[in-house]
Amino acid sequence: EVQLVESGGGLVQPGGSLRLSCAASGFRFSGYWMSWVRQAPGKGPEWVANIKEDGSAQNYVDSVRGRFTISRDNAQNSLYLQMNSLRDEDTAVYYCVRNEAWGQGTVVTVSS
Amino acid sequence: DIQMTQSPSTLSASVGDRVTITCRTSQNINDWLAWYQQKPGKAPKLLIYAASRSESGVPSRFSGSGSGTEFTLTISSLQPDDFATYYCHQYNRNFGGGTKVEIK
Repeated sequence: EVQLVESGGGLVQPGGSLRLSCAASGFRFSGYWMSWVRQAPGKGPEWVANIKEDGSAQNYVDSVRGRFTISRDNAQNSLYLQMNSLRDEDTAVYYCVRNEAWGQGTVVTVSS
Repeated sequence: DIQMTQSPSTLSASVGDRVTITCRTSQNINDWLAWYQQKPGKAPKLLIYAASRSESGVPSRFSGSGSGTEFTLTISSLQPDDFATYYCHQYNRNFGGGTKVEIK
């Protein structure tokens, strides 16, 4: 069974940083593109970033490019999202996603 | 970047109606598409994956079809619990804009 477990969310001030982690199990992690998806309060889900199976390519939504970095450690079956220069509008639940499989999400709140 | 166009954005229907929601992509995505149902305050719920495969436990009135650039979610007979917002999602990339199914 595919399991994706996010951690690392919390309350941070504007301009601050957070690092999200996702522990994957139940499938061959190194064989899949992985993504981060977020959902802000009252809004639809938004794809944030993805990373190729071997980590050699990454893509980002325009609103986070240059501020967020997606990475992975295939030896540890782990996905990461380093979020810098956080803004109020980054407040959301962040999900680790493999194709149609989602984790339970971790809440990020950016507020002073 | 592949564009996702979901229609309609809002749909008014009655219990028992057949409902169809369409998602079009600007490039061929094979069958790499999922459909989700979302209710206020809840996480999205997977209905359909790989364009046409039903997630375990999802009522049989929900079905998905299509491949390439055009995809459809059909609810064969709308039930009271189905009034919600529906999203299509290209694997590891963009979402459609959503379709809110309202009571007529």
